[in-house]
Amino acid sequence: KQEVTQIPAALSVPEGENLVLNCSFTDSAIYNLQWFRQDPGKGLTSLLLIQSSQREQTSGRLNASLDKSSGRSTLYIAASQPGDSATYLCAVPEILNDMRFGAGTRLTVKP
Amino acid sequence: DAGVTQSPTHLIKTRGQQVTLRCSPKSGHDTVSWYQQALGQGPQFIFQYYEEEERQRGNFPDRFSGHQFPNYSSELNVNALLLGDSALYLCASSLAEGAGGSGELFFGEGSRLTVL
Repeated sequence: KQEVTQIPAALSVPEGENLVLNCSFTDSAIYNLQWFRQDPGKGLTSLLLIQSSQREQTSGRLNASLDKSSGRSTLYIAASQPGDSATYLCAVPEILNDMRFGAGTRLTVKP
Repeated sequence: DAGVTQSPTHLIKTRGQQVTLRCSPKSGHDTVSWYQQALGQGPQFIFQYYEEEERQRGNFPDRFSGHQFPNYSSELNVNALLLGDSALYLCASSLAEGAGGSGELFFGEGSRLTVL
């Protein structure tokens, strides 16, 4: 059974700092990994999708890496801004279509 | 380009009642998945619909049922509501891989259900 863990559970940083969020999963036989952002009480916004054949994906100030063999992914946020404050979730497929989510990392960027 | 839309956004029910939640997928998508998210937790997979059939189901009781219509929109029904059913219900759409989809999920804003 796929288990997804995100560390840390919460993170507070000053504006402008570069930061790394971590995601680990127990079954390395995945075919993709997706990072999402969730604002309080809102739905999930897709940030990056990494296919199993890829090592990383970039979108603007965001960079996500994937190491299947070690069961880990990281989300790097450069030059953080207060608007980046949200909960960040990673998800991997369990069986075909069942996406397993971590509990998320709650990020606060202070002005 | 319309994204995933869900209705209603908020609703309050009492124990034992029944509820229907609705979802319209992103334009061009043919697959709809439903998730339940309790406060402070990640979403949990309920089931997925494709070609009007339930394709896969998570660990949820039969009180949770769904439907997909020919226009790809979907409904989630929950019968005999329990206090523990209070949660944010999220709908996600995607394009089937056989149709060229990448597996990327797109979510709606959710329906917040409170059971009293």
